[in-house]
Amino acid sequence: EVQLVESGGGLVQPGGSLRLSCAASGFTFSSYSMNWVRQAPGKGLEWVSYISSSSSTIYYADSVKGRFTISRDNAKNSLYLQMNSLRAEDTAVYYCAREATVVTVFDYWGQGTLVTVSS
Amino acid sequence: EIVLTQSPATLSLSPGERATLSCRASQSVSSYLAWYQQKPGQAPRLLIYDASNRATGIPARFSGSGSGTDFTLTISSLEPEDFAVYYCQQRSNWPPVYTFGQGTKLEIK
Repeated sequence: EVQLVESGGGLVQPGGSLRLSCAASGFTFSSYSMNWVRQAPGKGLEWVSYISSSSSTIYYADSVKGRFTISRDNAKNSLYLQMNSLRAEDTAVYYCAREATVVTVFDYWGQGTLVTVSS
Repeated sequence: EIVLTQSPATLSLSPGERATLSCRASQSVSSYLAWYQQKPGQAPRLLIYDASNRATGIPARFSGSGSGTDFTLTISSLEPEDFAVYYCQQRSNWPPVYTFGQGTKLEIK
């Protein structure tokens, strides 16, 4: 069974940093591209970042470019999101999502971790 | 950047009725459009990919259609568990971004 479990969320002050993790199991993690998608309270879904299976290709949404860094460790079956210079508008539930192999859709999602940026 | 516009924002129907949700793209996305369902407190779930293909385990009452700029998600006969928020999604090649519509809330009438 495919499982994605996020961790690392919490309360952080504006300008602070946080590192999210996503532990993957039930599939060959090193064969799949992965993404982070976020959802502000009561709002819709917003894609944040993409990383290819080998980490050779990385994309970011303009809203986080230069502040967030996506990475992965295939030996540990883990995905990460380093978030720096956090702003109030970064407050959201952050989901890790697996990208299907043939089509560019998110076929499995974790349950999410809440990041709150507030003083 | 491609913008996806969903309509209506809210749809009020009764169990057993047919639901028709729309997603319009600001420029052609061919057939590269997906639909997701999200219930309160849960992660989204993939329903449809490539406009009309049901994902694994999705009931046959869910169907998708369309190509180019206009797409439809149809639920043939609503079950109580279908009341949720539905999002469409596409990925553009350049810039390489993934875009979601703003969502349609399907509520019980």
